Amino acid sequence: DTGVSQDPRHKITKRGQNVTFRCDPISEHNRLYWYRQTLGQGPEFLTYFQNEAQLEKSRLLSDRFSAERPKGSFSTLEIQRTEQGDSAMYLCASSIGGRNLANVLTFGAGSRLTVL
Amino acid sequence: TQLLEQSPQFLSIQEGENLTVYCNSSSVFSSLQWYRQEPGEGPVLLVTVVTGGEVKKLKRLTFQFGDARKDSSLHITAAQPGDTGLYLCAGGGATNKLIFGTGTLLAVQP
Repeated sequence: DTGVSQDPRHKITKRGQNVTFRCDPISEHNRLYWYRQTLGQGPEFLTYFQNEAQLEKSRLLSDRFSAERPKGSFSTLEIQRTEQGDSAMYLCASSIGGRNLANVLTFGAGSRLTVL
Repeated sequence: TQLLEQSPQFLSIQEGENLTVYCNSSSVFSSLQWYRQEPGEGPVLLVTVVTGGEVKKLKRLTFQFGDARKDSSLHITAAQPGDTGLYLCAGGGATNKLIFGTGTLLAVQP
């Protein structure tokens, strides 16, 4: 296993178009997270899954954003009708979970979105 | 809303100098993690601290978790250009998500 993979690494799109990002987590990790990060700032939580169940969504996540993890493995994050304010790095992370474990996240390299 | 404020926001120092980065919150966290991120990459875990007052050392890096588990610090001794990057603290709590701090961008000049 080579870690968390994200695709595409870079996406340039025009305002109003839809975009989809894919994340392949570490295979034995049951939790999967999406974060958004702008330059020089800390990542902002968007949503997370435990297996295939989406357990929490941030209020930052407007109804133009949707995330899925249909089989509890890979996940997709779709942004509909993109706006210039959506330009950011979208980071995916996974963790093994566990009640008595500190929740350590392994991140992918991110998908950078530029909306023109 | 849980917030983690980091200071300073930016730090530019010469090779060999020491520095400390602070991470403060009004909320209590069950664990506190520090990550380092390089341009174009995702954050990479440096350390996890879980006990109030805990101190961990990783070569030239020393991490401390506050007694009340609301704050943390990262001290780097004899900084090197390879230490350059964005340093992020992240707090874990009752939910399974991590809340990240505002970030400290460190540049170490040779």
